[in-house]
Amino acid sequence: AQKITQTQPGMFVQEKEAVTLDCTYDTSDPSYGLFWYKQPSSGEMIFLIYQGSYDQQNATEGRYSLNFQKARKSANLVISASQLGDSAMYFCAMKRGSNYKLTFGKGTLLTVNP
Amino acid sequence: DVKVTQSSRYLVKRTGEKVFLECVQDMDHENMFWYRQDPGLGLRLIYFSYDVKMKEKGDIPEGYSVSREKKERFSLILESASTNQTSMYLCASTRQSYNSPLHFGNGTRLTVT
Repeated sequence: AQKITQTQPGMFVQEKEAVTLDCTYDTSDPSYGLFWYKQPSSGEMIFLIYQGSYDQQNATEGRYSLNFQKARKSANLVISASQLGDSAMYFCAMKRGSNYKLTFGKGTLLTVNP
Repeated sequence: DVKVTQSSRYLVKRTGEKVFLECVQDMDHENMFWYRQDPGLGLRLIYFSYDVKMKEKGDIPEGYSVSREKKERFSLILESASTNQTSMYLCASTRQSYNSPLHFGNGTRLTVT
């Protein structure tokens, strides 16, 4: 069963604008962690931001923030002031269970236009 | 910095060959993972290991096996390579905590002809 759903295969945004990448998840575990990764065309996987299931506040890391809505089981990534270098694949992932298994969504390809 | 090293960046093998993909991490992480990445399908978990000699199937284990004899090394084995196993293979490691991110290797692009 699909545990992580990213419904946007591709997104376009103008440089300097904000963009939201959607992620919903499914788990019955009370404890879990949510992660976002960036994969540029070079192929490396870059960790961006983390949100814990018990965290009261939304996570922020520089221009990245996570809109965490626990009741709706969503963990959307918000990128403010987009830059050309933000063009990449973005993956949402969830770590859950006693063995901390980590499952990824299918990704969203973000293109930032000048 | 955590380093996850995959033994080969590119690999070309023939159908039916036995293939070994090696991964080594240097940060004493308990968990190690093997994913394959295909366009439009994202990263799919093949196997992961949460301790030496311990393993658990991921979402697509068929046609693969793994070995973890030492904590720092996690091997993916294709017993009899097939063309549908042509893919990018990514190894990763992490601590056993919810807030520890995965650290990835640079990937192995395997082509089976």
